[in-house]
Amino acid sequence: DTGVSQNPRHKITKRGQNVTFRCDPISEHNRLYWYRQTLGQGPEFLTYFQNEAQLEKSRLLSDRFSAERPKGSFSTLEIQRTEQGDSAMYLCASSPTGVEQQETQYFGPGTRLLVL
Amino acid sequence: AQSVAQPEDQVNVAEGNPLTVKCTYSVSGNPYLFWYVQYPNRGLQFLLKYITGDNLVKGSYGFEAEFNKSQTSFHLKKPSALVSDSALYFCAVKRTNAGKSTFGDGTTLTVKP
Repeated sequence: DTGVSQNPRHKITKRGQNVTFRCDPISEHNRLYWYRQTLGQGPEFLTYFQNEAQLEKSRLLSDRFSAERPKGSFSTLEIQRTEQGDSAMYLCASSPTGVEQQETQYFGPGTRLLVL
Repeated sequence: AQSVAQPEDQVNVAEGNPLTVKCTYSVSGNPYLFWYVQYPNRGLQFLLKYITGDNLVKGSYGFEAEFNKSQTSFHLKKPSALVSDSALYFCAVKRTNAGKSTFGDGTTLTVKP
């Protein structure tokens, strides 16, 4: 069990560019979550997958954001036409199967995005 | 809608004293409640959760939390604080069978020797 991994760890981009982040969950965890965290605030829910199905998506997520989990393993989060307000830490978490176990989320180290 | 309030941005305690980090929540239906800890330059780590059953739940590193339905609270406690407990603590809530968790804005705990 190597934990949740996220790549890249840091990304600097210019406004208007597209960026893509990858999350590899803990092996056999069927639930995967994306959050965004800005300084001084708690993680803000973006979206959630169970296996390859995207079951919930925050209304705060604009059309510029899209997430996929094509084979129910790793996931990607893409931001199109980045804006300075997108600068934040993007967190991925996964959780295992089981009625109670599935409620425990294991977080990755995050990808820090800076939009210039 | 669901929400979490952590009324204290900062809690300071002396090593060896008991500590409490407060959390109140709002959610429709029965809540699932969580505490996570974030150390500097490290990811969020799960501490403990309330799903059902005993109102007092025990978690990692000697922490515990008490679910109080009437006061809609889930305060984090530890009988004897350690300097190494200094970190940022987040409370979170979700509805049963939902994916979305809502986090508070965090409380910075500082334990002084």
